[in-house]
Amino acid sequence: AQKVTQAQTEISVVEKEDVTLDCVYETRDTTYYLFWYKQPPSGELVFLIRRNSFDEQNEISGRYSWNFQKSTSSFNFTITASQVVDSAVYFCALSGVYNQGGKLIFGQGTELSVKP
Amino acid sequence: DSGVTQTPKHLITATGQRVTLRCSPRSGDLSVYWYQQSLDQGLQFLIQYYNGEERAKGNILERFSAQQFPDLHSELNLSSLELGDSALYFCASSVGAGVSTDTQYFGPGTRLTVL
Repeated sequence: AQKVTQAQTEISVVEKEDVTLDCVYETRDTTYYLFWYKQPPSGELVFLIRRNSFDEQNEISGRYSWNFQKSTSSFNFTITASQVVDSAVYFCALSGVYNQGGKLIFGQGTELSVKP
Repeated sequence: DSGVTQTPKHLITATGQRVTLRCSPRSGDLSVYWYQQSLDQGLQFLIQYYNGEERAKGNILERFSAQQFPDLHSELNLSSLELGDSALYFCASSVGAGVSTDTQYFGPGTRLTVL
């Protein structure tokens, strides 16, 4: 079975703090894909990143960085120098290559609140 | 803006009624996915269509059905509505059949309230 766990339900930080959102996944597939999506208060789901299981290089995009560690089945997301606009619910998701179609298995989400 | 459109944005109806949610995928995308987001179940995959054919099915209730039309837009039909069907329904689209290589881009969602 496939499963994504985001143990942090809510995180509150003050602006300019760094914050890391944890994501742990379970899958029996050897080839799989991991995603992060952002859901701001307006409600839409915004794609942030996709990584495949063969690429363990960390990725940085501006203030965002992702740490993929296959050994611990984790795909953590760090926001550096957080801003109020980063306040949102963040979802980690998994898709296995042997899934039917391309359905995404989502974690429960982490609600990030960045206070000025 | 992801390029995926969903209508209506909000829908309020009564128990026992039937509603239709509509989705237009991004230009060039052949797959459409439907997801339900509720407080107790989180984000759950319902069903996927690829180029008009059903591709994958999740925990979609028998009271729910979907289809994808020749112009690739999709409709999700919810019937005999219950209070527990109140949720945010998302449509997503991707280029291919979704064998995990595709990125799914989500629409703004339709918020359904069943009274």
